[in-house]
Amino acid sequence: EAGVTQFPSHSVIEKGQTVTLRCDPISGHDNLYWYRRVMGKEIKFLLHFVKESKQDESGMPNNRFLAERTGGTYSTLKVQPAELEDSGVYFCASTPTVADRGNEQYFGPGTRLTVT
Amino acid sequence: RKEVEQDPGPFNVPEGATVAFNCTYSNSASQSFFWYRQDCRKEPKLLMSVYSSGNEDGRFTAQLNRASQYISLLIRDSKLSDSATYLCAVNRRLTGGGNKLTFGTGTQLKVEL
Repeated sequence: EAGVTQFPSHSVIEKGQTVTLRCDPISGHDNLYWYRRVMGKEIKFLLHFVKESKQDESGMPNNRFLAERTGGTYSTLKVQPAELEDSGVYFCASTPTVADRGNEQYFGPGTRLTVT
Repeated sequence: RKEVEQDPGPFNVPEGATVAFNCTYSNSASQSFFWYRQDCRKEPKLLMSVYSSGNEDGRFTAQLNRASQYISLLIRDSKLSDSATYLCAVNRRLTGGGNKLTFGTGTQLKVEL
């Protein structure tokens, strides 16, 4: 079974530019999560999708961040315009909806974003 | 106070040693707990889930103490390949049935010859 995949693996952009990150969850996983780790800090929750619906976006830093999951398959996270403090590693995770295993989140390799 | 706290280490231990990490959490409503392993520049990989009082998998034992709000991870007979950062994660149920993980900053383990 293929794991969670993310694209690109690295992105270097200038302040003010736009970047779009993509996450493909494990096939059949309805729950998709975005997390971020900035340098020296812990991994922090950004938001959660169930299929195509945003269930919780309490962790989104501000309105420069927009996440979508059209069709309930892959998800995108767009940062526009990017600021220096947005640099970090953006992880995506997914979980199945089966109750007894629904808590275990499987992470993708992450996208390392550097804003210069 | 952080919601999940871990000693950042590093813990430097000789091969074959037993090492234990603790993690404390502040939200008593937390429902399930996890240990993840993260290698340098890689994603967190699920190591163990802790739903009740504890869990054992080979050389790894995780224990949960709800009264004192801490989770521990014990590694016996440590191997060079165990060198990594160990992340404690605490789960809380979200509206809509999903789960939010809150992570500690991780504990770095270095196993040496």
